[in-house]
Amino acid sequence: QVQLQESGPGLVKPSETLTLTCTVSGGSLSTYYWNWIRQSPGKGLEWIGYIYYTGNTKYNPSLKSRVTISVDTSKNQFSLSLTSVTAADTAKYYCARRQWFGELSAFEIWGRGTMVTVSS
Amino acid sequence: DIVLTQSPDSLAVSLGERATINCKSSQSVLFNSNNKNYLAWYQQKPGQPPKLLIYWASTRESGVPDRFSGSGSGTDFTLTISSLQAEDVAVYYCQHYYNTPLFGGGTKVEIK
Repeated sequence: QVQLQESGPGLVKPSETLTLTCTVSGGSLSTYYWNWIRQSPGKGLEWIGYIYYTGNTKYNPSLKSRVTISVDTSKNQFSLSLTSVTAADTAKYYCARRQWFGELSAFEIWGRGTMVTVSS
Repeated sequence: DIVLTQSPDSLAVSLGERATINCKSSQSVLFNSNNKNYLAWYQQKPGQPPKLLIYWASTRESGVPDRFSGSGSGTDFTLTISSLQAEDVAVYYCQHYYNTPLFGGGTKVEIK
């Protein structure tokens, strides 16, 4: 079955760029929408954005100016880049796959998440 | 933007009793073209990612016990656990996927 695994640094300094990678195993990136979601005590669960396997992206308007999601189909990975981080970006970051219905569907498969702390 | 308000924030239910969680949307999430409600429910246990329970407001995800059910349409939705089991202790979230996905604030379910 398809599994997702997040990876990246657990500590990022303020004003720097947070970069995370999600590795997909047990299936390919094709025909699905691949998402980043974060969870913090203060803001709860927050959708960050998605990338389709073709490279099309859509971002949460609240983060759009700082977010880039990219895909590497040869490695079966997709990545998140969040620039100019502050303490408010401290959260557990999850990658997740939408259902086969497409862009407007629920999140059916999740990674276990990776905690990122923004601190000097 | 659509806002989802869950109630209550927490509830304690005896084993075997019914648990009911509500989710109210500030705008309808019913898509008239296909008559589907773009609303899902998730269960999150400590240290785990959210798990999809219900989608299209009332369709149970494969493998989810039938004691979990979803109902409602438009702006008002309910998740019901018909007979609470010890393993159901968790935080439950509603989420709309009508456009920019948004989650409710969560409801913590405990054993009384």
